[in-house]
Formats: sequence, structure tokens, C-alpha cells
Amino acid sequence: DTGVSQDPRHKITKRGQNVTFRCDPISEHNRLYWYRQTLGQGPEFLTYFQNEAQLEKSRLLSDRFSAERPKGSFSTLEIQRTEQGDSAMYLCASSSGTGMNTEAFFGQGTRLTVV
Amino acid sequence: GENVEQHPSTLSVQEGDSAVIKCTYSDSASNYFPWYKQELGKRPQLIIDIRSNVGEKKDQRIAVTLNKTAKHFSLHITETQPEDSAVYFCAAVYSGSARQLTFGSGTQLTVLP
Repeated sequence: DTGVSQDPRHKITKRGQNVTFRCDPISEHNRLYWYRQTLGQGPEFLTYFQNEAQLEKSRLLSDRFSAERPKGSFSTLEIQRTEQGDSAMYLCASSSGTGMNTEAFFGQGTRLTVV
Repeated sequence: GENVEQHPSTLSVQEGDSAVIKCTYSDSASNYFPWYKQELGKRPQLIIDIRSNVGEKKDQRIAVTLNKTAKHFSLHITETQPEDSAVYFCAAVYSGSARQLTFGSGTQLTVLP
């Protein structure tokens, strides 16, 4: 499968622990997005990278959330001091080009459960 | 920022009937409107999209219409089949720098055999 891949698929963690998720976009895609999806809702935008530059991060839910894309390829999303409210599906998407109209391809997501 | 509203939240139809899902958006500068299908436990997948310079687009049993003046767009599925059962999300591309998708809250479509 040469699509967007995310790891792990599932993560169960205790409240207060730190977690890190990885996203590998489609190789030629320069745009990478992180979204969060809670049950019964549509994906909610968190942050955006164009190549290695994080151009939009104002939607990250709190300062406990951070993301990186150090070499413009894979990306990581870290949540520090997890809370039960962080339980959700975290989706990564990638797209190519600079126009507005390019298709975003989603990964399978990482389902986080904070106990 | 952009706000997208989607209705209905659930929709049940008999196999072979048509299904219509409607969305409205707030950012008049948005010009790209994709629709995603998400099956349980799977990733959202693009099924059709429309750009603002087009009023209607069709792909086999699926069609999307866009009314820019009213800022609403709709998904139409004809001759529904059980495998069409899924959650459908509309989205709009916000005109800010990130060009991120803003999603509606989803419609659970159930096609009854």
C-alpha cells in the first residue's frame, strides 16, 4: 500500500503519560495535515506542514500538543501529559501542489484511548 | 474561520432509492468542496468533489451540486446499494493559508436491503 500510513493504529495510555504518533505521507506530497476525529464528528483540523515548515499551528488544542516534520517527509504528533479528553482518532492527510483544489489522502488513523 | 453544517445526521433508505445529503458553508471565498465516505474503522476516502466554477458534477451514481450564492452544496446518490452504507462527510476548503479542510459533522447512511 503506497498510501498514507500511520503508526501505531491503536494506543492505550494512562492519563499523564506522553504519546507520539507517526505519519508517513505519500512520498511526493509536500503538504501534510493532522486532524482529530471524535466519535460522531467530522475530522477537526489541528496543524499543517508544507515541506518541513509548520505553517499553521494555531488550531492545536493546547500547548500539550506539538508536531514536527523534520525533513519534510514523515511527521510526528506528540501529546504530553495526556488527559481523558484527548481520547480520539488522530488522522494524518497529505496532498500535493500549492493550489486550493488538490485532493487530500488520509491515513488509517491512530486511535488513542486515555485511561 | 469556516463553518460547515451538514444534514441530516442519519438517513435510512431502501435499496434502489435515492439519498440526498445537504451542506452549507460560511466562507464565501471557499472554492473547493469534496465529499468523503468513511466506513467503520476505515480512513475517509474521497468519492467526489466540485470546484466553485462548476454547478454540478456527476460520476456514475453519485452527483454533487453547488449553489455559490446560497453557499450550499449537496450529494446525491441514486440507485443506492447496501455497500453505500457508511458515514458521509462534506467539506470545504478554507481560504486561509493552510488550505485545510473544514468538515461537516457527518451523515450516517443506511441502505436497507
